[in-house]
Amino acid sequence: SQQGEEDPQALSIQEGENATMNCSYKTSINNLQWYRQNSGRGLVHLILIRSNEREKHSGRLRVTLDTSKKSSSLLITASRAADTASYFCATDPYSGAGSYQLTFGKGTKLSVIP
Amino acid sequence: GAVVSQHPSWVICKSGTSVKIECRSLDFQATTMFWYRQFPKQSLMLMATSNEGSKATYEQGVEKDKFLINHASLTLSTLTVTSAHPEDSSFYICSARVFQGRRGGYTFGSGTRLTVV
Repeated sequence: SQQGEEDPQALSIQEGENATMNCSYKTSINNLQWYRQNSGRGLVHLILIRSNEREKHSGRLRVTLDTSKKSSSLLITASRAADTASYFCATDPYSGAGSYQLTFGKGTKLSVIP
Repeated sequence: GAVVSQHPSWVICKSGTSVKIECRSLDFQATTMFWYRQFPKQSLMLMATSNEGSKATYEQGVEKDKFLINHASLTLSTLTVTSAHPEDSSFYICSARVFQGRRGGYTFGSGTRLTVV
């Protein structure tokens, strides 16, 4: 079942602006991951944030996690036209039984206008 | 490291025929692989979890007899869409959990776009 919910569903910004996408989830997690998908292509792993972390940076990416609100945000700073893609959050549930299963949100389609 | 190679990247088939999609882990052993389906402009929906040497676990609503999964070795999992129909047209993506490395343990294939005519 689908757990993550991203908003906005679509976002259009000018090159150089920052883009913020949010993700909410419902159950306990081990970690939360963000992926990018260019149209009709596979997924590219961007960043992972563990349940005991609150913020993480990777280049122009900044991810926050609020486990009390069961939400995460992905910030892309100084956006570029090449950042145009769909972005998905995925939750890796806590499981002591060794069962691993990512659950994806609906995604945010980001368009960066040159 | 940790690459999953998925083939074919696209396939067009006639209604009623079967199509096999392969996913290979190139430099690691994948005891578990995941198969997702993605309809246009939608998210990935987990179809089944494939376990090497045992039967796959299917998600609710996914027909086992239609989507046959075989995971006969630690490096190969296949998804066969049997008696395909136009409504099976979709983007299929496999994924494997990697127990080593820095990237959270999941790597994805590049996807297969299936069009049934």
